Amino acid sequence: DVKVTQSSRYLVKRTGEKVFLECVQDMDHENMFWYRQDPGLGLRLIYFSYDVKMKEKGDIPEGYSVSREKKERFSLILESASTNQTSMYLCASTPWRATNEKLFFGSGTQLSVL
Amino acid sequence: EDKVVQSPLSLVVHEGDTVTLNCSYEVTNFRSLLWYKQEKKAPTFLFMLTSSGIEKKSGRLSSILDKKELFSILNITATQTGDSAIYLCAAPGAGSYQLTFGKGTKLSVIP
Repeated sequence: DVKVTQSSRYLVKRTGEKVFLECVQDMDHENMFWYRQDPGLGLRLIYFSYDVKMKEKGDIPEGYSVSREKKERFSLILESASTNQTSMYLCASTPWRATNEKLFFGSGTQLSVL
Repeated sequence: EDKVVQSPLSLVVHEGDTVTLNCSYEVTNFRSLLWYKQEKKAPTFLFMLTSSGIEKKSGRLSSILDKKELFSILNITATQTGDSAIYLCAAPGAGSYQLTFGKGTKLSVIP
């Protein structure tokens, strides 16, 4: 069965901390995505990657960076966490040349920044 | 800018009711429209629609697309408490990799 695994289900951090959210997929997918989901705003794309060491900005990249050193792993980095980054973070993947019909999502990380 | 708008944003119904969820879109180079169901965890894929007027069906769920009027509906008949979830509508935009999501409809089915 396909699997996208996010390392933490819940995370509590302090303002100014550096935060790493990890995502691993076991489907050999080329494309990986990071979304954040907020009540009333829906899912918004932060960054995506279509290959190892490649990254593209989504709609709301400010305050975030990403790392894709290996095909199966896509990390989201908050260099200096702020309270407005409190959110549900969802990682997703699709195979190369897919038109995103079947995004496979991880279970999400609920991040609270205090 | 690509836009996907869902209505209503929330809905409470009784078990056995039939519900209709709406999704309208304005997307450059429209290719498809997708529906996902999100319970407590990861959104899961329900339907992809590409052609007008062709109903997609899975059990008590069905969906149809109207490319002339730029909307889609998701119907759920004989609702059950297990249908309680957020239903997301999305469409790929001009960029191949980017899905634009609506804000979702939160459906609550009460016994």
